[in-house]
Amino acid sequence: EIVMTQSPATLSVSPGEGATLSCWASQTISNNLAWYQQKPGQAPRLLIYGASTRATGIPARFRGSGSGTEFTLTISSLRSDDFAVYYCQQSNNWPYTFGQGTKLEIK
Amino acid sequence: QLQLQESGPGLVKPSETLSLTCTVFGGPITNSTYYWGWIRQPPEGGLAWIGSIYYTGRSYYNPSLSFRLAMNIDASKNQFSLKVNSVTATDMAVYYCARWAAPGGGHAGGFDIWGRGTEVTVSS
Repeated sequence: EIVMTQSPATLSVSPGEGATLSCWASQTISNNLAWYQQKPGQAPRLLIYGASTRATGIPARFRGSGSGTEFTLTISSLRSDDFAVYYCQQSNNWPYTFGQGTKLEIK
Repeated sequence: QLQLQESGPGLVKPSETLSLTCTVFGGPITNSTYYWGWIRQPPEGGLAWIGSIYYTGRSYYNPSLSFRLAMNIDASKNQFSLKVNSVTATDMAVYYCARWAAPGGGHAGGFDIWGRGTEVTVSS
């Protein structure tokens, strides 16, 4: 099973600033990585797939990058509704696995 | 617009079987482009993939659960289902059904449409 590790566990950022979230895979997964955003009481929402392709309706402020074992989600000009928990997920191998999440909170 | 809706009992007794159904609205479950999956989220947080199924019935299970799992698809009802046998407190979670899409083919995709989730409690 591929283990996905996210860092940091919690990130405190002020609105208007940018944020960088990291995700590592325990073995290479090519670009088979997705990012999700989850707000309290809601289902996760797909942001990025294929490591860098934005899902339908996702603004350009969300940028995914990386390949192999190291991946990054960069969010620029943070807005109030960006503060949430973010998960990465690999789909290179069964079983699909998720990172433990990064909570992005208002500073 | 495609929507998914989970249904099933919110309370299951220990050692019994959890049965959930996901109904797909707004499009055929037999669309060959997609897989259909189950993901759960325990009270402490985090997401765990349970399994995925194709419209043909081909399925993939999480090995940590596979000996207790069964997934099926009913095209006539536009539904897919999940059964988890011999439940314990560790099976308590919000269970989501979701559509898996890989627009470019291959493995690069994501769960792009989710149900709202259904909370399952295990208690006698």
